[in-house]
Amino acid sequence: QQQVKQSPQSLIVQKGGISIINCAYENTAFDYFPWYQQFPGKGPALLIAIRPDVSEKKEGRFTISFNKSAKQFSLHIMDSQPGDSATYFCAAPNTNAGKSTFGDGTTLTVKP
Amino acid sequence: DAGITQSPRYKITETGRQVTLMCHQTWSHSYMFWYRQDLGHGLRLIYYSAAADITDKGEVPDGYVVSRSKTENFPLTLESATRSQTSVYFCASSETRGGSYEQYFGPGTRLTVT
Repeated sequence: QQQVKQSPQSLIVQKGGISIINCAYENTAFDYFPWYQQFPGKGPALLIAIRPDVSEKKEGRFTISFNKSAKQFSLHIMDSQPGDSATYFCAAPNTNAGKSTFGDGTTLTVKP
Repeated sequence: DAGITQSPRYKITETGRQVTLMCHQTWSHSYMFWYRQDLGHGLRLIYYSAAADITDKGEVPDGYVVSRSKTENFPLTLESATRSQTSVYFCASSETRGGSYEQYFGPGTRLTVT
């Protein structure tokens, strides 16, 4: 069973600031590391994902940084906006079974 | 409409009653999943299915039953509901061909057991 530890549990950031959420995993056999974003009353939706053949992936204000040796990957949200306020989940897939283990989630609040 | 749908969106039931949550996807994805979301526990996998007639337990399967006779449907049944099963339930689907593993989630069912 893949273990995924996500931190922090909650995060408050001022508008325009940088939000950083971290995720640590155990099994090194996986090749796809996504972050999901969930707004209140909605289901999670894929935000950005990375494969371990690169150390960083950027999409707009969102960046994943991947550290294979440390078995960690993190989500950076640059110029955080109130509309980014949501719960963020990292995940690590068990490719043999097609299922994923999710972190416990980080509730991000961006204050105007 | 294309996508993944869940019904009902809200359900209140009494302890001991049987209740079935429905999930339907229109993409013909091979994999389907049921999660429960509780404060402080994130998303916990209840059951998953790799294809029609193939299901397997997840992290928290006790008290739940699933079936998948058709690719597009994956109902979740609580055989005898308990208050500890009060939660928000999400269905998801994915297609792992191409190595994406992205899961597409439904809007959720908020279940209250009184």
